[in-house]
Amino acid sequence: KAGVTQTPRYLIKTRGQQVTLSCSPISGHRSVSWYQQTPGQGLQFLFEYFSETQRNKGNFPGRFSGRQFSNSRSEMNVSTLELGDSALYLCASSLAKTGSRVGGELFFGEGSRLTVL
Amino acid sequence: AQSVTQLGSHVSVSEGALVLLRCNYSSSVPPYLFWYVQYPNQGLQLLLKYTSAATLVKGINGFEAEFKKSETSFHLTKPSAHMSDAAEYFCAVSGSLIQGAQKLVFGQGTRLTINP
Repeated sequence: KAGVTQTPRYLIKTRGQQVTLSCSPISGHRSVSWYQQTPGQGLQFLFEYFSETQRNKGNFPGRFSGRQFSNSRSEMNVSTLELGDSALYLCASSLAKTGSRVGGELFFGEGSRLTVL
Repeated sequence: AQSVTQLGSHVSVSEGALVLLRCNYSSSVPPYLFWYVQYPNQGLQLLLKYTSAATLVKGINGFEAEFKKSETSFHLTKPSAHMSDAAEYFCAVSGSLIQGAQKLVFGQGTRLTINP
């Protein structure tokens, strides 16, 4: 079974540009979450999508957005990039079902490392 | 709100020695707790999870953790360290009160170094 696939793995952008990152979840997983990992702030939750709906959102500015497609693939977009957006962006998928608190496992991709110059 | 504190950003042990990584949590509801491991240039891999069943949880690679409600702790242990255990370890608590929503709140991580 293929794991969570994130593309691109590495990218370099300049301030003011925008970037789109892609995530393909494990087949059958309907929940996709995004996390930002930086040395200073650690792992921070960005948002989670389930069946094309955003169910939960972290404390990030509106420049950070995402979406999920009908095949559960997800993209996140960061507009007007700032130096502080340099980070490893991790996508995770899970079987998560409605009607119960999370208890299942999140499967993480290897991440997209964004460098903003 | 849910939060996690990992005591010690760096832990160094000798090969064959006991590994103990400390994690304390705060949660307004009965917590679901997790330990993840991250190797260089990779994503996170689940080691083990506590979801209100047995308080002593066994995971992969010989790791285990004990949930202690009175101490709000979920420390990770391994009896005998191996060189391949060198990595960064993250403790996490389920951060969402929304039914079914997936959100983890992570600790700052502990980098484990194994000395030969």
